[in-house]
Amino acid sequence: GAGVSQSPSNKVTEKGKDVELRCDPISGHTALYWYRQSLGQGLEFLIYFQGNSAPDKSGLPSDRFSAERTGGSVSTLTIQRTQQEDSAVYLCASSQVGQPQHFGDGTRLSIL
Amino acid sequence: GQSLEQPSEVTAVEGAIVQINCTYQTSGFYGLSWYQQHDGGAPTFLSYNALDGLEETGRFSSFLSRSDSYGYLLLQELQMKDSASYFCAVRDPRGYQKVTFGTGTKLQVIP
Repeated sequence: GAGVSQSPSNKVTEKGKDVELRCDPISGHTALYWYRQSLGQGLEFLIYFQGNSAPDKSGLPSDRFSAERTGGSVSTLTIQRTQQEDSAVYLCASSQVGQPQHFGDGTRLSIL
Repeated sequence: GQSLEQPSEVTAVEGAIVQINCTYQTSGFYGLSWYQQHDGGAPTFLSYNALDGLEETGRFSSFLSRSDSYGYLLLQELQMKDSASYFCAVRDPRGYQKVTFGTGTKLQVIP
């Protein structure tokens, strides 16, 4: 596609369930980023990938959060045993090295 | 580490000019970017300054002073559609691609 695609666009789940969020970056973009944004707040860095490697995982809030990227393309962010404080919009962005980021529309996650 | 500070809210009148400031504290520096985000939407790239001075892109301009660790985004001829949040961002100077965003400024344009 022409832009960064994220799925699902909305996800409602019960506390304690696992969720998987998907990001399909722009073709050819080697860098891929995950951010979390709570209502009315800024962008909280979670993790970024250069190719399939994640040089910086420092933003992951806890060991319940994990991410992977395969084939230098699609990435999944997994949250295990979800908690209510995990409710937020999860944004994915991709870029070529040193170039501006292109964001997807995000996944709005609601934990009941 | 990196930290960036912005005013939380700014209100300006349609047709006027508004300046959104960003001060940063970083362990190095690799350029200052600006992004716009409408409510419920995705952030979109506006401008980038690697060197001191003013960069102009239509109604939007961005300024950087590395000696003052300061930059601003200038919006001219404000339109109602400019109501949005604006974020400054810096790239990790270690050569990684990590980008740290500022706290964001919510701009409200009023008639």
